[in-house]
Amino acid sequence: DSGVTQTPKHLITATGQRVTLRCSPRSGDLSVYWYQQSLDQGLQFLIQYYNGEERAKGNILERFSAQQFPDLHSELNLSSLELGDSALYFCASSLEDHNTEAFFGQGTRLTVV
Amino acid sequence: AQKVTQAQTEISVVEKEDVTLDCVYETRDTTYYLFWYKQPPSGELVFLIRRNSFDEQNEISGRYSWNFQKSTSSFNFTITASQVVDSAVYFCALSEANGNNRLAFGKGNQVVVIP
Repeated sequence: DSGVTQTPKHLITATGQRVTLRCSPRSGDLSVYWYQQSLDQGLQFLIQYYNGEERAKGNILERFSAQQFPDLHSELNLSSLELGDSALYFCASSLEDHNTEAFFGQGTRLTVV
Repeated sequence: AQKVTQAQTEISVVEKEDVTLDCVYETRDTTYYLFWYKQPPSGELVFLIRRNSFDEQNEISGRYSWNFQKSTSSFNFTITASQVVDSAVYFCALSEANGNNRLAFGKGNQVVVIP
């Protein structure tokens, strides 16, 4: 158990809908990252937050947004969902925003039908 | 830009054989970090090891060993005396020191250990 908790584990929704994925980082970790794992794109970095502030953006679509709350948990919001958004979404956390290993949650498997 | 290449897609071995996974990386930074993660069939990503670019000392940890060669930009990983529980996808990853700890992953190696 990495100590990173993601909910829900599975999510099935229809195209055009909006969903929210939740992540609780390991105790004491200030940095949270979101990654998407799909068959065609592999594992891709989406976005990073550190102590409530956005630190880095990767290949995140404009339909997606995220935030980190004062208690350090994070949410990833996916809207106007398309079939191609079906993927495994991982949250990871690390103590700092650099030079430290990141620990991953179990992922949320999103299926868009 | 950072890039990680894992050429082999699926590797099958018979239990107790050794298996080596190749990883080649590209980066313009002089300071960077290399990682191996394991993704078992249950889906989670498990951290295995982290090495910084200044530490080329190879290491053995139980049945796992790593071979970091900066001259060839390679960070290979070996499982000795493989077991069925080693069946998983193994990912090599890179983060640059000025890259906010974001990881660039290779495509992964599916390791199948046959009993």
